Amino acid sequence: ETGVTQTPRHLVMGMTNKKSLKCEQHLGHNAMYWYKQSAKKPLELMFVYNFKEQTENNSVPSRFSPECPNSSHLFLHLHTLQPEDSALYLCASSQEAGYGELFFGEGSRLTVL
Amino acid sequence: AQKVTQAQTEISVVEKEDVTLDCVYETRDTTYYLFWYKQPPSGELVFLIRRNSFDEQNEISGRYSWNFQKSTSSFNFTITASQVVDSAVYFCALSEAGYSTLTFGKGTMLLVSP
Repeated sequence: ETGVTQTPRHLVMGMTNKKSLKCEQHLGHNAMYWYKQSAKKPLELMFVYNFKEQTENNSVPSRFSPECPNSSHLFLHLHTLQPEDSALYLCASSQEAGYGELFFGEGSRLTVL
Repeated sequence: AQKVTQAQTEISVVEKEDVTLDCVYETRDTTYYLFWYKQPPSGELVFLIRRNSFDEQNEISGRYSWNFQKSTSSFNFTITASQVVDSAVYFCALSEAGYSTLTFGKGTMLLVSP
């Protein structure tokens, strides 16, 4: 079992759908992150959670709503997305926010029609 | 503001060739960390190395080596005797001390053909 697991691996949704991405880490870390990876662009940090508290929101539109019920689980709720939101969404974790290297999941490939 | 530049978008080599991936960074902090990650086709970013700004010693790990030069703000990555399994996108990243986030470069796609 990998350290950081993301589901689903692939998701296709319409602009009016509501869906969620799930991330689970088995490393005993206390910080979790959502990154967005679009074609031809650097990875963009979206959200940071440290000990279940959101510590960073990188000016992400409200159609993306994160949830961190505990240090091991992180969700990204999606609603009324736009086609330009199609990307690979990567979850990561680290010992604490700002400490230790990031361990990434394999990502969820999202396509918005 | 911090910035990471990977000028090489794509590199193609033949197996057993040596290849160097360039990374140039900008930061105003005197304390910072530099990273390299590998992203194979499966999508997961795999951590390769972290180096802090006070340690300029070059590092070698098997076929991988890293050259950190503060004078030129560069942290280059060399793969010796490349193999097909090295084909991936490689990202250089920077983290300033006290911040929780990494700034990534745009990545360099390395294609190693047999």
